[in-house]
Amino acid sequence: AQSVTQLDSHVSVSEGTPVLLRCNYSSSYSPSLFWYVQHPNKGLQLLLKYTSAATLVKGINGFEAEFKKSETSFHLTKPSAHMSDAAEYFCVVSVGSGYALNFGKGTSLLVTP
Amino acid sequence: NAGVTQTPKFQVLKTGQSMTLQCAQDMNHEYMSWYRQDPGMGLRLIHYSVGAGITDQGEVPNGYNVSRSTTEDFPLRLLSAAPSQTSVYFCASSLHGTDAYEQYFGPGTRLTVT
Repeated sequence: AQSVTQLDSHVSVSEGTPVLLRCNYSSSYSPSLFWYVQHPNKGLQLLLKYTSAATLVKGINGFEAEFKKSETSFHLTKPSAHMSDAAEYFCVVSVGSGYALNFGKGTSLLVTP
Repeated sequence: NAGVTQTPKFQVLKTGQSMTLQCAQDMNHEYMSWYRQDPGMGLRLIHYSVGAGITDQGEVPNGYNVSRSTTEDFPLRLLSAAPSQTSVYFCASSLHGTDAYEQYFGPGTRLTVT
C-alpha cells in the first residue's frame, strides 16, 4: 500500500534561513506525490505535485521538492523562510486506485524573527 | 467561483444526535471526498464519490453516510453522533480522482460531540 512518513513533527527555522521538511514514501510503483500546506484555522492548499515527469518539482511561494527514487524520499525545501511560511505541511501520496489520498501526520513549521 | 463551500463552520452535538454536514462545489468536479482531521493524525478519508450516484468508503467510514444526487453537492450524515467523532471535517473536490489532480479543500467544519 502507498504511504508516506514525515520524519519531523516540528521544525523551527529563523527567518531568511533555508527550510527542509522531510518525507519518505512507500510505494510498489511510481507514485503521485504532493505537498499541501495548512495555515492556522484554514483549509489545505496545494504547494506542488510530482507525477512522474521532472524529478525536481517547483511549487508556489518559492517551495520545491525533489523526487528521489533511490532514497524513496520527497523532501520539501525553500531557500529562505518568510514569517508567512509558518504553517502545517502535509506530504501526501495518491493510493493506487486513484481515488484516495494517504496523508502524512504533518510537520509544523515555526519561523522565528 | 466560490470553490468548495462547507456549512456549518462550527457545530456542537450531544451524543446520539444526528446531523448533516453540507459540502458544495461550483467547479463541475467529478470527484468529491470527505476527510476528518485529528491532532497528530493527518487527514483520513471517510467517503468519496466519483460522480453523481456513485459513492464508496474510505479508511474510516463507520458512523457516516453519504449520497451524491448532484454533481455539486456531497453531504455527510452522522447518524448517531459519538464523542469519537469530535474532529475537524474537510470536504475536497477535484476534476478526476486523486492521481495527479489537485484537490480543492473547503474551509472545514469543526464538530464537537459531548
